[in-house]
Order: sequence, then structure tokens, then C-alpha cells
Amino acid sequence: AQSVAQPEDQVNVAEGNPLTVKCTYSVSGNPYLFWYVQYPNRGLQFLLKYITGDNLVKGSYGFEAEFNKSQTSFHLKKPSALVSDSALYFCAVRDGTGFQKLVFGTGTRLLVSP
Amino acid sequence: GAVVSQHPSWVICKSGTSVKIECRSLDFQATTMFWYRQFPKQSLMLMATSNEGSKATYEQGVEKDKFLINHASLTLSTLTVTSAHPEDSSFYICSARGLAANSYEQYFGPGTRLTVT
Repeated sequence: AQSVAQPEDQVNVAEGNPLTVKCTYSVSGNPYLFWYVQYPNRGLQFLLKYITGDNLVKGSYGFEAEFNKSQTSFHLKKPSALVSDSALYFCAVRDGTGFQKLVFGTGTRLLVSP
Repeated sequence: GAVVSQHPSWVICKSGTSVKIECRSLDFQATTMFWYRQFPKQSLMLMATSNEGSKATYEQGVEKDKFLINHASLTLSTLTVTSAHPEDSSFYICSARGLAANSYEQYFGPGTRLTVT
């Protein structure tokens, strides 16, 4: 079964510093990977996806993610964090069977301090 | 584009009553809609997948007679929590996927917070 793991419950970073939110995946076949962000009491907003092609994927709000096949990782990155980036971040992988549902990681809370 | 709405955004009901939550794709047609449940500080748990015009497919452990899902059109799916109990209190989120064959993305609604007293 497809799965993703987010090893960190929380990541703390100072505003202006680079941030990384980690995600590793386990899939059979080609991985379709996604990052979503959730603000308090809101639904999920799509940030970016990897389907195929360049390993560095650029997404919304200045975020990017690097697909690393040898390390089975898909870490989310941003060169300079903003306080407004503080939110809950979910990595997800698409199940290649049936309804192609998304399987989510446990989420990582990002806290950017001023 | 690709906006999904949910109504209501929050609801309080008494134990034993039923509550209906609507999920609409506003500017696209969605063949498939997904219903998730999220407990505080936890990830999303997929409850069921619905396809327009057919019965929903429920995940293991989800009571289909308690959580009734109807996907009557390409822009509307509803989740009805029947005979609600306090343990059904949660944040319910729907998502929708478009018609196109390469629709890899799911678009999420803003969520509905249900509190059962």
C-alpha cells in the first residue's frame, strides 16, 4: 500500500531563515506526491505536486519540493520563511488503484517566529 | 478556479438528531468526491469516496448506515450524519476531483465543524 511519513510533529524556524518540512514515501510504481497546507479551521490548500519530470518542483507561495528517488523523499522547502507560513503541512501520495485516493501523512506543524 | 464549498461551515446539534453537510464544486464538474474526518491535531481520515450516480465506497470501519453519502450530480455531494452522538463531533472536509483524465489534484472544501451536544 502507498504511504507517506512525516517524521516531525513540529518544525520551528525564525522568520527569514530557510525551512524544510520532511516527507518520505513508500510506493509501488511511480509516485504521485503532493503537499497541502492547512490553516486553523480551514480546509486544505494545494501547494505543489510531483508527477514526473524535474526533481525540483516549484509551487505556490514560494514553496518548492525536491523529489529524491534514491532516498524516497519529497521534502518541502522555502528559502526564506514568513510568519504567515505558520500552519499545518501535509504530504500525500496518490493511491494508484481504485479511486486514486490521496493518502496523507500525519502532518507537520510549522511555527515561524518573528 | 477549482473552488469547492461546504455548507454549513459549522453546526451544533443535539444527540440523536441528523445533520446534513453539503459539498459543492462551484466552477468545475466533479466525478469523484471524497469525505474526510479530522480530529484535533490529527491527520485527515478518509471516510468514503463517492462517484456521481453510484453508491459511495466506504473505508473500512466507517458505518455506511450512519454516514449517508449521496452524490446526486456532478457538482454536489452530501454527507448526512444520522442519529448523531457526541463522539461524532469532528471537523468534516470534502474534496473533489475533476472530469479530466489527468486530474491528479483534489480540491478541498473549507470544512464543516460539527458539535453534537
